[in-house]
Amino acid sequence: QKEVEQNSGPLSVPEGAIASLNCTYSDRGSQSFFWYRQYSGKSPELIMFIYSNGDKEDGRFTAQLNKASQYVSLLIRDSQPSDSATYLCAVNEYGNKLVFGAGTILRVKS
Amino acid sequence: DARVTQTPRHKVTEMGQEVTMRCQPILGHNTVFWYRQTMMQGLELLAYFRNRAPLDDSGMPKDRFSAEMPDATLATLKIQPSEPRDSAVYFCASERGGSRGDTQYFGPGTRLTVL
Repeated sequence: QKEVEQNSGPLSVPEGAIASLNCTYSDRGSQSFFWYRQYSGKSPELIMFIYSNGDKEDGRFTAQLNKASQYVSLLIRDSQPSDSATYLCAVNEYGNKLVFGAGTILRVKS
Repeated sequence: DARVTQTPRHKVTEMGQEVTMRCQPILGHNTVFWYRQTMMQGLELLAYFRNRAPLDDSGMPKDRFSAEMPDATLATLKIQPSEPRDSAVYFCASERGGSRGDTQYFGPGTRLTVL
């Protein structure tokens, strides 16, 4: 059983809408949670990290964490075509080792 | 602008040949990771080092893969002999190390094709 689960998508949203990306994880001892964005043919780049329950906002991005439900999400407000990419959820289970989900493909249509 | 660098960016080789990939982590980062990414398996951790010492290489096929850090500015990943199933993008990432919110910065990757 994969330890970090994401819907592979593609998730299609119109420009200006809110995109909601979800991730569940299996290890209750997980400490930190990361969202990376990966454009086609490029390397992953960090968008946000969160380690406390609740919401964390950074510009158009909001990460939400619910440790009781083992659920982390990323909201992208006012989605732009340039947000079209694969979004990878990663969980720090122990030490600095990250386990990545398979990623969700987001397509923002203008 | 500090970046992780990787060489070569692309490598095409024939089955059975040795492949060496190199990574220069960001100066001052003490933790280095090697990942492999394929469409089928996604992003998989192969091995990682802290302060040049290997901490975990459980994701790496031991019979053909080896990873080393000869010094703090260079990490290497070798495959010998290479096989077609090794075709993938290999990423190196580095991290400052020491705190919960540390960020892993990825290099541009080496795209390996084994014929």
